[in-house]
Amino acid sequence: ETGVTQTPRHLVMGMTNKKSLKCEQHLGHNAMYWYKQSAKKPLELMFVYNFKEQTENNSVPSRFSPECPNSSHLFLHLHTLQPEDSALYLCASSQELSQDNSPLHFGNGTRLTVT
Amino acid sequence: AQSVAQPEDQVNVAEGNPLTVKCTYSVSGNPYLFWYVQYPNRGLQFLLKYITGDNLVKGSYGFEAEFNKSQTSFHLKKPSALVSDSALYFCAVRDLSGGYNKLIFGAGTRLAVHP
Repeated sequence: ETGVTQTPRHLVMGMTNKKSLKCEQHLGHNAMYWYKQSAKKPLELMFVYNFKEQTENNSVPSRFSPECPNSSHLFLHLHTLQPEDSALYLCASSQELSQDNSPLHFGNGTRLTVT
Repeated sequence: AQSVAQPEDQVNVAEGNPLTVKCTYSVSGNPYLFWYVQYPNRGLQFLLKYITGDNLVKGSYGFEAEFNKSQTSFHLKKPSALVSDSALYFCAVRDLSGGYNKLIFGAGTRLAVHP
């Protein structure tokens, strides 16, 4: 148990579908992150939230829409995706953004396949 | 801009032999460096970090890393490899821009330990 739970573990969707990824953390953290992991590429930071406020949107296309209703939950809403968006989407949390030394705690990811 | 490089896509080691996974970094100012491990179908797990102090940092599962400022390296090491150490290893550096805990990851090195 990592303390960060992501659902679903696997998702297959067509390019015209709308779906959402969910992340929940039970660690009492205040910062949450979405990362995209593609094969043989560095992890790409997508979005950062601190105390429910979005602090970073790393030039992510608008077909990805994050939502953070509280410090424990983070969503990634998906619509009209492209096949190149197929990847492992990782959620992470940390104590808060000003804590320079605190490690990130990752969920097990959602494996997304866009057909 | 902060960056890390992991020059090897894959490292192969016989069980019981010492292992090294290489990482070099480029930062302005003092580096905050991290190693994470990813087992199959799992998220990333924190192994160890260097913030300041001793150049040899000890972490989880018997791993350690040596910070070398002159060579701008932070190689991960273990004296005796186990088959269960086989996984994907990521080096990361804290991005100083924005003044908060944003990690920049390398592309990862796959470690294969053979019986």
